Amino acid sequence: IAGITQAPTSQILAAGRRMTLRCTQDMRHNAMYWYRQDLGLGLRLIHYSNTAGTTGKGEVPDGYSVSRANTDDFPLTLASAVPSQTSVYFCASSDAAGALQFFGPGTRLTVL
Amino acid sequence: GENVEQHPSTLSVQEGDSAVIKCTYSDSASNYFPWYKQELGKGPQLIIDIRSNVGEKKDQRIAVTLNKTAKHFSLHITETQPEDSAVYFCAASETGGSYIPTFGRGTSLIVHP
Repeated sequence: IAGITQAPTSQILAAGRRMTLRCTQDMRHNAMYWYRQDLGLGLRLIHYSNTAGTTGKGEVPDGYSVSRANTDDFPLTLASAVPSQTSVYFCASSDAAGALQFFGPGTRLTVL
Repeated sequence: GENVEQHPSTLSVQEGDSAVIKCTYSDSASNYFPWYKQELGKGPQLIIDIRSNVGEKKDQRIAVTLNKTAKHFSLHITETQPEDSAVYFCAASETGGSYIPTFGRGTSLIVHP
């Protein structure tokens, strides 16, 4: 693989279910990010990690959790999905915080 | 924190015309300003960026200008082509440390053939 991969590509989920969106990068970037994209609202940061072992909250963290056990992987978990979490989710990485970001192809999540 | 405003939200041009998208930012400490292009069904991809020590940068038909005093930067696309149709995002950040990029809300550019 080259760059960032995300899985699944799309998912339909019943409200109340737990879901983990996966993100893997092979560029050895220190920083990784999760965004959600909703029409008219642009890209909103959910959580970020500046380096393995550390995470931080973004603009819209409620209902989401992340972990960064190693450099390459940054999973996003919805503990109990709600319809307002219907969105397209993008993972990104950069070699340094605040620098150029590389984005994954996105996961389209629908919560019914 | 940083606030980035982007205008217009939608821009429609004829093929061959120029397109200009403008962004303003609030934090004078921001020193890195990338522009991303997002095609339908894909993730955003960097197309050009500029750092605060430079006033203008050009790459073929794309250019970015930065006015640090006024805290605004712009994307200029000349000789637009239908394949330029996409959503464009500006962002501002202070590189290093834990500084997170702040994105504008995006501009949907439509180039009519």
